[in-house]
Amino acid sequence: SQTIHQWPATLVQPVGSPLSLECTVEGTSNPNLYWYRQAAGRGLQLLFYSVGIGQISSEVPQNLSASRPQDRQFILSSKKLLLSDSGFYLCAWSRGSSSYEQYFGPGTRLTVT
Amino acid sequence: EDQVTQSPEALRLQEGESSSLNCSYTVSGLRGLFWYRQDPGKGPEFLFTLYSAGEEKEKERLKATLTKKESFLHITAPKPEDSATYLCAVQAGDAGNMLTFGGGTRLMVKP
Repeated sequence: SQTIHQWPATLVQPVGSPLSLECTVEGTSNPNLYWYRQAAGRGLQLLFYSVGIGQISSEVPQNLSASRPQDRQFILSSKKLLLSDSGFYLCAWSRGSSSYEQYFGPGTRLTVT
Repeated sequence: EDQVTQSPEALRLQEGESSSLNCSYTVSGLRGLFWYRQDPGKGPEFLFTLYSAGEEKEKERLKATLTKKESFLHITAPKPEDSATYLCAVQAGDAGNMLTFGGGTRLMVKP
């Protein structure tokens, strides 16, 4: 069976500090990978998605970036965090074909102080 | 632009009181509609995929239905453990693998 991991689970960082969130998927190969952000009490906003190693598409212009160094690894980064970057970050995967549901990880709660 | 609207935003039920959650959508060619359950502080958990109008899916006390403009999540005789936020998402024909999510309905079931 497939599993998806995210770490850290929670993170408190000062404004201006760097960020690195990691997501890994087990039990499948060549998945599509996604990063979402969920603000308190709101829906999910797609930030980045990837259909393969080194292939990243950005949906929202911001000070965040994403990378996919390995087939089942997806990293969300920032060089300098802003207060507005606080939120619940979710990684998800789906099968390579379209019309398939996405499966989410446990999430990372980021608080920028 | 694809849009998904969920109503109500919040719903309080007594245990055993059946009800329905609504998901209205506007997309250019629906490829799939998805329902998720999200508990506080956790990632969404996949529940159902619906592909065409008239389709229905069931899981325990939940039943999802789909028309050309909306989907309903019917909850029969809910229990307190059904309390969660329920999210609806659509996949449009021209959106590749991406989903557009609604804002969710927060369901609270009191014993």
